[in-house]
Amino acid sequence: GESVGLHLPTLSVQEGDNSIINCAYSNSASDYFIWYKQESGKGPQFIIDIRSNMDKRQGQRVTVLLNKTVKHLSLQIAATQPGDSAVYFCAEQTDNRKLIWGLGTSLAVNP
Amino acid sequence: GAVVSQHPSRVICKSGTSVKIECRSLDFQATTMFWYRQFPKQSLMLMATSNEGSKATYEQGVEKDKFLINHASLTLSTLTVTSAHPEDSSFYICSAWSSGAMWQSSGNTIYFGEGSWLTVV
Repeated sequence: GESVGLHLPTLSVQEGDNSIINCAYSNSASDYFIWYKQESGKGPQFIIDIRSNMDKRQGQRVTVLLNKTVKHLSLQIAATQPGDSAVYFCAEQTDNRKLIWGLGTSLAVNP
Repeated sequence: GAVVSQHPSRVICKSGTSVKIECRSLDFQATTMFWYRQFPKQSLMLMATSNEGSKATYEQGVEKDKFLINHASLTLSTLTVTSAHPEDSSFYICSAWSSGAMWQSSGNTIYFGEGSWLTVV
């Protein structure tokens, strides 16, 4: 649903620590999920995706976990760097190609 | 890689005027494009789905006469905000599907533009 009027939750981590960003999705029929990174004033940037027939997928420094039982998605960032500071959104794709967006989490990396 | 270009990146217009934002897929054909608006510190809100050669499909609550969408070619969709008001000030983002890729395949087949900041004064 829309996030009108809500403030983004913020996750603050120390540089070098691991970050875990969580997301709950709404449609149990969704079969494709994507994590995006959005820096201030820019469009969303693809990070990693996962299909519903998988529980885990790894990329470079990032891992996505999918728990279909509780409709939960998480993004793990290893050795978080200052350049990782941004807002992170999860998105679930419907069968008509639309993306349903999560509320977003603002990640702040402290040097 | 595939690139989606939005223009202008920033625009200021007077209240009551119309402003057009372009979304171009630079090295692929996009039969479907999506238009979003985003307010500060909020998520993206889908406004409409733009299909090449046909009328756009608007989300509930989005005025089709105010936000005119034209997808005249496989590489260009335009969003025109008509009779703009200060409350239309927002960040507008488009995304495009690469028609050459299976949408169900894993991988990044959805490409986003860099967004357009609209300020109505």
